[in-house]
Amino acid sequence: QVQLVQSGAEVKKPGASVKVSCKASGYTFSSYDINWVRQATGQGLEWMGWMNPNSGNTNYAQKFQGRVTMTRNISISTAYMELSSLRSEDTAVYYCARDNNVGAGFDPWGQGTLVTVSS
Amino acid sequence: SYELTQPPSVSVSPGQTASISCSGDKLGDKYTCWYQQKPGQSPVLVIYQQSKRPSGIPERFSGSNSGNTATLTISGTQALDEADYYCQAWDSGTVVFGGGTKLTVL
Repeated sequence: QVQLVQSGAEVKKPGASVKVSCKASGYTFSSYDINWVRQATGQGLEWMGWMNPNSGNTNYAQKFQGRVTMTRNISISTAYMELSSLRSEDTAVYYCARDNNVGAGFDPWGQGTLVTVSS
Repeated sequence: SYELTQPPSVSVSPGQTASISCSGDKLGDKYTCWYQQKPGQSPVLVIYQQSKRPSGIPERFSGSNSGNTATLTISGTQALDEADYYCQAWDSGTVVFGGGTKLTVL
């Protein structure tokens, strides 16, 4: 079945960077954009950006431009999201999700990766 | 930047119909989706392209979108439908989520 499996929880200090992976299976990885969405505890969903695995093209939310980098390794069907200059407000669960194109929504989602930023 | 507005909470009795609204400028001209999220779980797509249901989503979930408002309707609401619901749209190549609505079934 179509599945996205993310890397495990991370604890980082303020100012550090974190890189979260998202491994796809059950479909052709290069055929669908991967989006990244985060959710702070008790808060709503916040879109961070998308990446086209085929071309490597990206589009980041303005809020994260300059701090986020989305990349991929096609040979292992894995997408990555790196967030730098971490601050306490970046503590959240980070999700990857497949974009089914042309308004067809995000499905499936990864299981989420908790990133905790604490000194 | 584009914004989507949802009511923070909606309550419904079991077996009744729940309606959750999502408003945004000319939202009816955009593709909209709805997600269900239960505590400790990842979001699940329940409606896409305004009114289509993914396979495995019960028929009691339906969607509409016109003018400035999209609506998620749950007919014959069940206790297991209690969750947070988020609308989502695309605007100029970016993705926007509504703030979420907590649906309580009581």
